[in-house]
Amino acid sequence: EAGVVQSPRYKIIEKKQPVAFWCNPISGHNTLYWYRQNLGQGPELLIRYENEEAVDDSQLPKDRFSAERLKGVDSTLKIQPAELGDSAVYLCASSRGLAGVKDTQYFGPGTRLTVL
Amino acid sequence: QQQVKQSPQSLIVQKGGISIINCAYENTAFDYFPWYQQFPGKGPALLIAIRPDVSEKKEGRFTISFNKSAKQFSLHIMDSQPGDSATYFCAASWGGNQFYFGTGTSLTVIP
Repeated sequence: EAGVVQSPRYKIIEKKQPVAFWCNPISGHNTLYWYRQNLGQGPELLIRYENEEAVDDSQLPKDRFSAERLKGVDSTLKIQPAELGDSAVYLCASSRGLAGVKDTQYFGPGTRLTVL
Repeated sequence: QQQVKQSPQSLIVQKGGISIINCAYENTAFDYFPWYQQFPGKGPALLIAIRPDVSEKKEGRFTISFNKSAKQFSLHIMDSQPGDSATYFCAASWGGNQFYFGTGTSLTVIP
């Protein structure tokens, strides 16, 4: 079974530039998460999707961050414009999304973003 | 506000020794407590998890001890091996959806 796929693995941009990250979850997984992991910290949730619906985006900085999950499969996270403080690893995770079940999250390898 | 507090930040253990990582939480609504292992350049991977209705769960060399009254839980790695060298995160969630992670513990096992 293929795992969660993310691309690109690394991205270096100058501040004020836009950037986009792509995630392909495990086949059949209905729930998709985007996390941000700062250096030396644990992952922090940005947004959670149930199929194509964003059910928790309370931690997403909506002035510059946007996300979409068309057709309830792949997802894209965008930052425009990027700021120096956005440098971090952006992790995508997916889970089966079964109601009432303690669902295991499977993480992708992440995209390491460096904003200069 | 850090929902889950983890310690120590780093840990060095001799091969064959016991590694112990501790976590504490405040929100009594949490009902699922997983531990994740992360190697450099990789995403976190689920290691072991526990629910608050049990006080201990063991899988191979890995054991979670859970103290509901103290709102604390810990990971014990028995017979630690150099291959266990990684960063470990505790987490807590309710409803199986919103997960809150600790700040991580960098474990180094010396041969």
